[in-house]
Amino acid sequence: EPEVTQTPSHQVTQMGQEVILRCVPISNHLYFYWYRQILGQKVEFLVSFYNNEISEKSEIFDDQFSVERPDGSNFTLKIRSTKLEDSAMYFCASKPGTGNEKLFFGSGTQLSVL
Amino acid sequence: GEDVEQSLFLSVREGDSSVINCTYTDSSSTYLYWYKQEPGAGLQLLTYIFSNMDMKQDQRLTVLLNKKDKHLSLRIADTQTGDSAIYFCAERTGGGNKLTFGTGTQLKVEL
Repeated sequence: EPEVTQTPSHQVTQMGQEVILRCVPISNHLYFYWYRQILGQKVEFLVSFYNNEISEKSEIFDDQFSVERPDGSNFTLKIRSTKLEDSAMYFCASKPGTGNEKLFFGSGTQLSVL
Repeated sequence: GEDVEQSLFLSVREGDSSVINCTYTDSSSTYLYWYKQEPGAGLQLLTYIFSNMDMKQDQRLTVLLNKKDKHLSLRIADTQTGDSAIYFCAERTGGGNKLTFGTGTQLKVEL
């Protein structure tokens, strides 16, 4: 069965550094998402992306964050000037299109900011 | 705003049925989802239900939706040790695409 693939599985960075989390959504999917889960807390929506632009974003997704689909297969989340509170599991997800509501998640990237 | 609540823990014996409950607050929910998360793994989609349905069955899984009470449940028949995981319910509201997740229910299956 097709999967959403995320790399790396673990990322350790120093506070203030920039990180890029990478995702390969399922081929032919049209909607892409990033969610995060801080340890012990709920899974939170960050951003949705469709037709090469952000379609919705949460209050968490401020100017520190950006997303990009640099080619036909990758979907990235960039976090600039990381803070300690950015430490979390980041999940990428994708959905086929309107009318198919199955939302598939990747296995996540655990980001640790030291 | 949207809020989704679940009980934190459930323990059952192997072979018994498990029922995981979820309540939500937003009456404009369109789709409701159940995801399973095993240790170190991502969120695996188990099933979802459209808000105009009240029941959906898929093999050992039965989803019941009480829209009036804003209550969703997931029943797992003949629960196995491999069902031990965290189960998340999530709602999608209105015309948006985002899901709002519950806290997750840790299901422990004992022999």
